[in-house]
Formats: sequence, structure tokens, C-alpha cells
Amino acid sequence: GAVVSQHPSWVICKSGTSVKIECRSLDFQATTMFWYRQFPKQSLMLMATSNEGSKATYEQGVEKDKFLINHASLTLSTLTVTSAHPEDSSFYICSALDPGTRSPDTQYFGPGTRLTVL
Amino acid sequence: SQQGEEDPQALSIQEGENATMNCSYKTSINNLQWYRQNSGRGLVHLILIRSNEREKHSGRLRVTLDTSKKSSSLLITASRAADTASYFCATDVHQFYFGTGTSLTVIP
Repeated sequence: GAVVSQHPSWVICKSGTSVKIECRSLDFQATTMFWYRQFPKQSLMLMATSNEGSKATYEQGVEKDKFLINHASLTLSTLTVTSAHPEDSSFYICSALDPGTRSPDTQYFGPGTRLTVL
Repeated sequence: SQQGEEDPQALSIQEGENATMNCSYKTSINNLQWYRQNSGRGLVHLILIRSNEREKHSGRLRVTLDTSKKSSSLLITASRAADTASYFCATDVHQFYFGTGTSLTVIP
């Protein structure tokens, strides 16, 4: 089945630093990936849609200069949290669509990345 | 274990009618969420209901939760063509498992 990985699985950083999170589709090519964040005991919130070779589409209220998304290849999308602050601490999850399957709308989720900003 | 199985798999109704979708899960939960997904788009969170709540409303959405039966229902009242989408439920597990969803078609 389609597998999506994320790296790192957890990261602790100091306030003001930037953190890059990678999302990889391991056995399929994903033209579309999604980035979500989840606060403790709350729902997934869609942040942006990442399309290979083009600019990401951000949801309302998500700062594009704060959360930089790059989808440079069909198997890799990166989310960079720039100048991170404690309020950015959250669980970040990516998902990917596999257009080569019978269910092209099925999202395959990564395991998530726990970001803690001190 | 799989959490969040929706039924029916597909539902087609006329605009203005109500649509009801159901979700069943297997283990104890703290909360249950409903999401919608338009084709090729990301999941959009609709509503969250906590395990100590039995019913919750948000606009035209009404969600019920029966923890004894480990089931939830999502009711969309006065449906519109724009409600056409797939609807998923999910529980508060660390790794999200979504069922195949209910594909709702609202005919104008």
C-alpha cells in the first residue's frame, strides 16, 4: 500500500529558529500533498495544499511567509516553520494523494511531526 | 485497528432534502470529528464532538454521538448542491485512520 513518511518525527528548537519538516511518498508519486496541524486534543486543521512544481495554496488564516512549503519533486514536500515561536508548537501531519490508484482521492497520511518550540 | 467506518458509502439526494451519514468505531474515544473532502482537495474539519457530549450543532450540521453503541451520525439539513463531497469521521487516535467515507451527491 501507499506509504508516506515524515522526518523528523519530533523536534525541539529554540524560539527564533527555523525548522524544516519533510514529507515523502515512499512507493508512489504524489502530485498533491497536504499539510495539517493538530493542537492537543483538537482536530486536524488543513494548512495548505502542496502541488508539485507550483506554489502551494494556503488556507485562510495561514501565513505563507511563516510556513514555507516546497514541493520540488513528485515524492517530496517540505514545510519550513520560519522564526518559530512557542505558539507554533504543534503536531504537523502531511498526507498525499496517489493518482495512480483506483481511489485517487484517498489520502495517505504520514505519521506526523511533533514540534516543540522553547 | 481501523477507527471510523462510515455508511452509507454513497448517498444521492435532491437539493433541500436532509442527508444522514453514520460512523462506527471500535475503541474508547475522547472525541470524534467529522471532515469533508471535495474531490482532489484536502480534508476540511466540520465539527468535533467530545465523548461526554451527545449532540452538537453547527449551522446546518447536527452531530450525535452514542458512546454505548460506538457510533455517530452527521445530519446535513436543507442540503445544497455545494454540499456534494465525501464525508469522513475520525477519532482521537494518534495516527489518523479514516474510513472510505460517505460520498454525498446533492442534485440541484
